[in-house]
Amino acid sequence: QQQVKQSPQSLIVQKGGISIINCAYENTAFDYFPWYQQFPGKGPALLIAIRPDVSEKKEGRFTISFNKSAKQFSLHIMDSQPGDSATYFCAASMMNDYKLSFGAGTTVTVRA
Amino acid sequence: GAVVSQHPSRVICKSGTSVKIECRSLDFQATTMFWYRQFPKQSLMLMATSNEGSKATYEQGVEKDKFLINHASLTLSTLTVTSAHPEDSSFYICSARGRRELYTQYFGPGTRLTVL
Repeated sequence: QQQVKQSPQSLIVQKGGISIINCAYENTAFDYFPWYQQFPGKGPALLIAIRPDVSEKKEGRFTISFNKSAKQFSLHIMDSQPGDSATYFCAASMMNDYKLSFGAGTTVTVRA
Repeated sequence: GAVVSQHPSRVICKSGTSVKIECRSLDFQATTMFWYRQFPKQSLMLMATSNEGSKATYEQGVEKDKFLINHASLTLSTLTVTSAHPEDSSFYICSARGRRELYTQYFGPGTRLTVL
């Protein structure tokens, strides 16, 4: 049973466009929400993460929006580039064990 | 900083043999290491959590006698797949968590295991 639901499964965006990936969770004990980027045949790399005490965090072209009351968070990739083509995973963890619960993943394809 | 390595990156073995995969934190001390497996086009599935000097904790459904995990030092954990079968073929990825950033897991590059 997946504790973090992620959508869409895949998306195609034009170069320069905005990619938006959404995640939802049920367990209110989660208090850390990272996003990972994975290229084929490689391990995931931490992209950006947020704690529930802030509603938005921006790092370069990547922004996390967090809605605590709705138990939802999303990743926005601004000015998408072909090099951003990868699979993105949202995840959540909590302080008692720090285990990550991953979403199903979203494959992003950026067309030049 | 925060680099995690895995060795080997790829391994092919015959059915019935055992395979050992190493995971090392290169520039920090890992208080906890996690082992995941990932099937093609699927998400990461946590197999077990290991803390240095103590026995690993396995997730439900993961056979601890088949997937032996040793966390012998603060920079090294090993996963041994015993008596491997073709259904064990998968991408195995480790991650490590340090003392300073309690929540952050840094992932290794993964090991592709193919059992013939």
